[in-house]
Amino acid sequence: KAGVTQTPRYLIKTRGQQVTLSCSPISGHRSVSWYQQTPGQGLQFLFEYFSETQRNKGNFPGRFSGRQFSNSRSEMNVSTLELGDSALYLCASSADRVGNTIYFGEGSWLTVV
Amino acid sequence: GESVGLHLPTLSVQEGDNSIINCAYSNSASDYFIWYKQESGKGPQFIIDIRSNMDKRQGQRVTVLLNKTVKHLSLQIAATQPGDSAVYFCAEIGWSAGNKLTFGGGTRVLVKP
Repeated sequence: KAGVTQTPRYLIKTRGQQVTLSCSPISGHRSVSWYQQTPGQGLQFLFEYFSETQRNKGNFPGRFSGRQFSNSRSEMNVSTLELGDSALYLCASSADRVGNTIYFGEGSWLTVV
Repeated sequence: GESVGLHLPTLSVQEGDNSIINCAYSNSASDYFIWYKQESGKGPQFIIDIRSNMDKRQGQRVTVLLNKTVKHLSLQIAATQPGDSAVYFCAEIGWSAGNKLTFGGGTRVLVKP
């Protein structure tokens, strides 16, 4: 069974641009969450989607948004990129709303210049 | 607020010795705890988990202990190997908030040959 797949793996964007990251969860998993990882702030929760609905949101500005499709695949978008948005963005999936193991993808490395 | 922290940022271990990584948490309502291993350039890899109604759980060469009285979690790695060199994160979930993981700061384990 394939794991959580994230694309692209690496990307470089210019300040002010926007970026879209994609995540395909493990087959059969309906919960998808996104995290930002930086050396200074560690791993921080961005949001969680379940059955195409955002169930939970972390403390990030409105420039960070996401969505989930009917096949459970998810995308996150960051608009008006800032230098501080440079980070590893991780997607995680779980079989259900609560109570199941949460697995991570390899992440998308975003560099904002 | 909720927080999960680690006592030791770096742990040097002789190959073949046992490793113990500690984690303190502050949310007494946490339902579920997970240990992840993250190697350089990769996403967090699930190691072992434990639910709040358990005190101990064993996996292959790893044991997680949960002490709810003092809100302490530990990961024991038996016969540490060079491949165990990585950063280890503890994370907790209160299922009332869905699949939102709150991570500790991480402990780097260095295995000396």
